[in-house]
Amino acid sequence: QQQVKQSPQSLIVQKGGISIINCAYENTAFDYFPWYQQFPGKGPALLIAIRPDVSEKKEGRFTISFNKSAKQFSLHIMDSQPGDSATYFCAAAGGTSYGKLTFGQGTILTVHP
Amino acid sequence: GAVVSQHPSRVICKSGTSVKIECRSLDFQATTMFWYRQFPKQSLMLMATSNEGSKATYEQGVEKDKFLINHASLTLSTLTVTSAHPEDSSFYICSARASGTDTQYFGPGTRLTVL
Repeated sequence: QQQVKQSPQSLIVQKGGISIINCAYENTAFDYFPWYQQFPGKGPALLIAIRPDVSEKKEGRFTISFNKSAKQFSLHIMDSQPGDSATYFCAAAGGTSYGKLTFGQGTILTVHP
Repeated sequence: GAVVSQHPSRVICKSGTSVKIECRSLDFQATTMFWYRQFPKQSLMLMATSNEGSKATYEQGVEKDKFLINHASLTLSTLTVTSAHPEDSSFYICSARASGTDTQYFGPGTRLTVL
């Protein structure tokens, strides 16, 4: 029940295209859903986060869409750039997790020039 | 965003020695710090949660006597890998969270190689 399932495992997009990564969760007590970006050999960096009281949040080229009834949320990267090539992790926290993040498996994004 | 540092960024040690990794929150007070390890091409695995001034809470399967965690101040937590062995070689990452918030800010990670 604590799992967060992320897909796809890898994604290749052309420059200027839209990258879409999906996550699904089971624990209805989760109430905080962040996305992190990680470059090789570096720690994850927070990109954007959402709470269940809104269905969408946008920050620059990054948008989170949230579907509470389906227990799914997704990251959309508009106008994808080669510099966006990295591993992306979704995560969830809330309820009795006491702030601990449950991470998805990660998506390796490659943006071709 | 808030800044979290880790030191050292890379360490190579001989089997049987102990290694200490420091995690510092540079511009905020971190009431809670988390320690993760990450294997190549895998997700982050939470090892333990530490709250300032109290004992760390370890995840199932993590040996608390092997991975000693100290969170003595609101800006510093340390992870000591005791009697390290080659299977302890990994990428160790800390994160820090301020009181009353959900946001975790991650450090840059420490690459541990045990020969």
